[in-house]
Amino acid sequence: AAGVIQSPRHLIKEKRETATLKCYPIPRHDTVYWYQQGPGQDPQFLISFYEKMQSDKGSIPDRFSAQQFSDYHSELNMSSLELGDSALYFCASSLAGGGANNEQFFGPGTRLTVL
Amino acid sequence: QKEVEQNSGPLSVPEGAIASLNCTYSDRGSQSFFWYRQYSGKSPELIMSIYSNGDKEDGRFTAQLNKASQYVSLLIRDSQPSDSATYLCAVTGRRALTFGSGTRLQVQP
Repeated sequence: AAGVIQSPRHLIKEKRETATLKCYPIPRHDTVYWYQQGPGQDPQFLISFYEKMQSDKGSIPDRFSAQQFSDYHSELNMSSLELGDSALYFCASSLAGGGANNEQFFGPGTRLTVL
Repeated sequence: QKEVEQNSGPLSVPEGAIASLNCTYSDRGSQSFFWYRQYSGKSPELIMSIYSNGDKEDGRFTAQLNKASQYVSLLIRDSQPSDSATYLCAVTGRRALTFGSGTRLQVQP
């Protein structure tokens, strides 16, 4: 079965640079979530989109922005990168707006390293 | 205090034994409860979801939910070395998942 696709899988950037992470949800899934997982930590919710509109916002820094496009893929844009942004970034998708059942399936992640 | 609490472990069990993982949550409005398995450096993999009080079984896995006690558990029967991973408890009331810090399970051959 098709899974969530993320690109790139690895990314190395310098401080103050920008980065764009991409996420392609499972076909027919309409909701996308972004999570950040630092070393030894649990995933922290950043932001989510349902039907191309922002649906929920977590601990996303103001330096980050995201959007969902008409084909339901999503991009996370990160500017003025800091050393502390080094982490695994996961995208997850779910069906039907993340309703009560809200099973979320995670992509393989993008490992971002900021030097 | 975290919204979702788990014992960090490691929980060590011999191969073939039952592993019991526990989780408590603080938000009484939580509606959906999940267990994810995560291998080091990999993404969380959904292994169980439960929405109502009681038990839910799927193969070697049984999830238990007690909303009155705000408690969720996962039992893994006939534990295998390949089950060695971090198990994340996650809850949600609306959309975003709130994770516990995870319990590291080690299954000894």
